[in-house]
Formats: sequence, structure tokens, C-alpha cells
Amino acid sequence: LAKTTQPISMDSYEGQEVNITCSHNNIATNDYITWYQQFPSQGPRFIIQGYKTKVTNEVASLFIPADRKSSTLSLPRVSLSDTAVYYCLVGDEGGKLIFGQGTELSVKP
Amino acid sequence: SAVISQKPSRDICQRGTSLTIQCQVDSQVTMMFWYRQQPGQSLTLIATANQGSEATYESGFVIDKFPISRPNLTFSTLTVSNMSPEDSSIYLCSADRINTEAFFGQGTRLTVV
Repeated sequence: LAKTTQPISMDSYEGQEVNITCSHNNIATNDYITWYQQFPSQGPRFIIQGYKTKVTNEVASLFIPADRKSSTLSLPRVSLSDTAVYYCLVGDEGGKLIFGQGTELSVKP
Repeated sequence: SAVISQKPSRDICQRGTSLTIQCQVDSQVTMMFWYRQQPGQSLTLIATANQGSEATYESGFVIDKFPISRPNLTFSTLTVSNMSPEDSSIYLCSADRINTEAFFGQGTRLTVV
């Protein structure tokens, strides 16, 4: 399973767009890129998953360049409730997830 | 989407004892996994719970310490055996179905004193 690298922490203000970039240089051909969100004292929650180009859902967008060696999670107009740890994971669809350190996002008023 | 119930949600245990954590999914799933998350850290995969056969453990985790059962497609247990304070952690189970993302329980917060 490919290793991922992402910033340890990020700060933002309410209403701003937040972009968290993840590097995964050793991504395999059949790997998907998945992002999870975790609040304190809760299990991780799925945000978005993609294979290439751009994926958008009701909470986020995921941008994946052609070489797939990185990806960017975009959170539009964050609020205080988006303060959480965000994990980027790379793997096939077998469900086995190897977590990196994650990015601790702090949204300030 | 499917829901995972984990029990207990938290417990305080004496060293040398064992605790069994239960994970119940409200629908059939293909894969089930157990993770550990130490305070302030990321999640570490302990093992894959295989239905009707022995679990597949990751490096650093052994069956004698973390026996796992999965008698059917919706239920699994993780036992933390002969506990020491170093086992204090949050233990989470996750499940996955074909063509869906993995989803997690709320976790079990274990404190060993």
C-alpha cells in the first residue's frame, strides 16, 4: 500500500476555502485515493474518493492530476465545525486502510 | 449507509485482565478490520477479521495478545489480553462492502490502570 504525506496542521478562518494536498508518489495503477475526517472521540468518517481528474460531492471536491502522484482535498467555505483531522489514504477497494499522520485543520472565527 | 455498533464505548480495566470488544454491523459486509488509535496519534491497523477463519495480523500484533473472532458476516470481537497500561488506547472496528467505502464504529476507549 502506497505511503502518503500531508501537512501535519493547517489553520483557516470561517468562510474560507481550504485545500489540503497529499503526496502519494508510489500509488499503484489500481489504487484509489480516499479522504476521511475524524473528530475527537469519534471514528473516521468518509468524505470523498477518486481515481483521477476531479470528483465533487456535497461536502468536498477532490482534484487528482494526470500522474496521480498527489491529490488535493478542497473544502469550500469552511465553518468552525470543520475543525478536525483529515486523512488521505491510498489503496485498492479491498477496505484495508493504512493511515498516515493526517492533517489537523483548525478553523477560527 | 450501514451502521456499526461497538460495545463497550469505554472501560477502565485492571492490569493483567482481558477485555472483549464487540462490533456489530447492521448489514452484511465483506471485510471487517480492527484498529488501534493511541492518544494524539493516527490509526494503526491491528488485523483483518476473516469470517470463519483466523484473523490476518499486521506486523507487531499477535493472536495471543489480540485474539479476534468473526463468526458471521455482521459480527466480530477483539480481545485485548493480559492488559498493561501501554494498551490504553481507542480501539475501532471498520467494515467494508464491495464497491463501497469503509466505515467505522465510534470506538472503544480503554484505560488500563
